[in-house]
Amino acid sequence: DQQVKQNSPSLSVQEGRISILNCDYTNSMFDYFLWYKKYPAEGPTFLISISSIKDKNEDGRFTVFLNKSAKHLSLHIVPSQPGDSAVYFCAASEGNFNKFYFGSGTKLNVKP
Amino acid sequence: NAGVTQTPKFRILKIGQSMTLQCTQDMNHNYMYWYRQDPGMGLKLIYYSVGAGITDKGEVPNGYNVSRSTTEDFPLRLELAAPSQTSVYFCASRAGQGIYEQYFGPGTRLTVT
Repeated sequence: DQQVKQNSPSLSVQEGRISILNCDYTNSMFDYFLWYKKYPAEGPTFLISISSIKDKNEDGRFTVFLNKSAKHLSLHIVPSQPGDSAVYFCAASEGNFNKFYFGSGTKLNVKP
Repeated sequence: NAGVTQTPKFRILKIGQSMTLQCTQDMNHNYMYWYRQDPGMGLKLIYYSVGAGITDKGEVPNGYNVSRSTTEDFPLRLELAAPSQTSVYFCASRAGQGIYEQYFGPGTRLTVT
């Protein structure tokens, strides 16, 4: 049973607009969350993370929001650029942080 | 730094054959991971290691074995390949306690027929 879910397989956004990618989780013990970006034929690369003691973390155009009561996190990209077109995975970990659980990914297409 | 390197990039196996997927990192990271990604699915953890000589099972360890004799290398062994093991395999490393982002290799695409 998947503990981390990304229910939108794909998202299409116009260049310059906001992209919002969503992620839900079921395990209330998760306390660290990460977003990775993946281009075709490459491995995922780390994008941004957030600890459960925070509800927001920002890095340039990327902001991650965490709603613990709803077990929901989201990644906002503002403004979106064509180079942001990729598959985005959210991941979560608990306790000792040895294991990480990944969602199924959302493919973002930013149209010029 | 080369980061995390994986070999081979592609491989086709017949059912019942064995092979080893190689993974090497040159960042002196303590933690290493093996994941598989099936089409339309997320990455599932196969095995991980928190240091040389220490390995543990992830979510989907059946049909695989690992060893970690050095900090740099973390090979994944498939003993009796089955069609269900057709997937893309990613190796990753992480520096250690308090540092959570993983660095991934480019992946090995394995087909078992």
